[in-house]
Amino acid sequence: DVKVTQSSRYLVKRTGEKVFLECVQDMDHENMFWYRQDPGLGLRLIYFSYDVKMKEKGDIPEGYSVSREKKERFSLILESASTNQTSMYLCASSFGSTGQSPLHFGNGTRLTVT
Amino acid sequence: KQEVTQIPAALSVPEGENLVLNCSFTDSAIYNLQWFRQDPGKGLTSLLLIQSSQREQTSGRLNASLDKSSGRSTLYIAASQPGDSATYLCAVMGGGATNKLIFGTGTLLAVQP
Repeated sequence: DVKVTQSSRYLVKRTGEKVFLECVQDMDHENMFWYRQDPGLGLRLIYFSYDVKMKEKGDIPEGYSVSREKKERFSLILESASTNQTSMYLCASSFGSTGQSPLHFGNGTRLTVT
Repeated sequence: KQEVTQIPAALSVPEGENLVLNCSFTDSAIYNLQWFRQDPGKGLTSLLLIQSSQREQTSGRLNASLDKSSGRSTLYIAASQPGDSATYLCAVMGGGATNKLIFGTGTLLAVQP
């Protein structure tokens, strides 16, 4: 089974802090994604990557950056955390292109910014 | 812009009942449609993936259908069980935007014992 591991289940950070969310997958998947999930808004794509050192903006990239130095690891960075970034963050991975395989999700990181 | 809608937002059924969850999308130019399950406080689990050239997919008690021309998909759950209680989300991967899934807001299903 594919395993997508997010390093923290819960995080509490202060406004203005730099925050790192880490995600690791163990199935050699090319594609990795970061979503945030908010009540009433559903899942929204922040960034994705289809190869090492490659990144593409999703629908809501403002205030975020990403890093993919190794194929198995995809990091989401909040440069200066704000209260409106309080959310559930979900990492996912898949292989191939043009939707050949389903997305596999981690269990999520619930981030609270105070 | 692709929009995905799931109706109803919540559904409660007695155990053993067969049920259908609905998903509609506005742009029929899709690569695939995926159904997921999400338990409270957890990530999403992939249930079924239907490629744009397919009409349906089955896994155990689950059957998903796709009608691209009308922009609709259904997830049929046979003989529902309390363990099926969860939020069910559908998502479409749109043509021209490879690897980007657009999600609906989900249907919260409660199966009463």
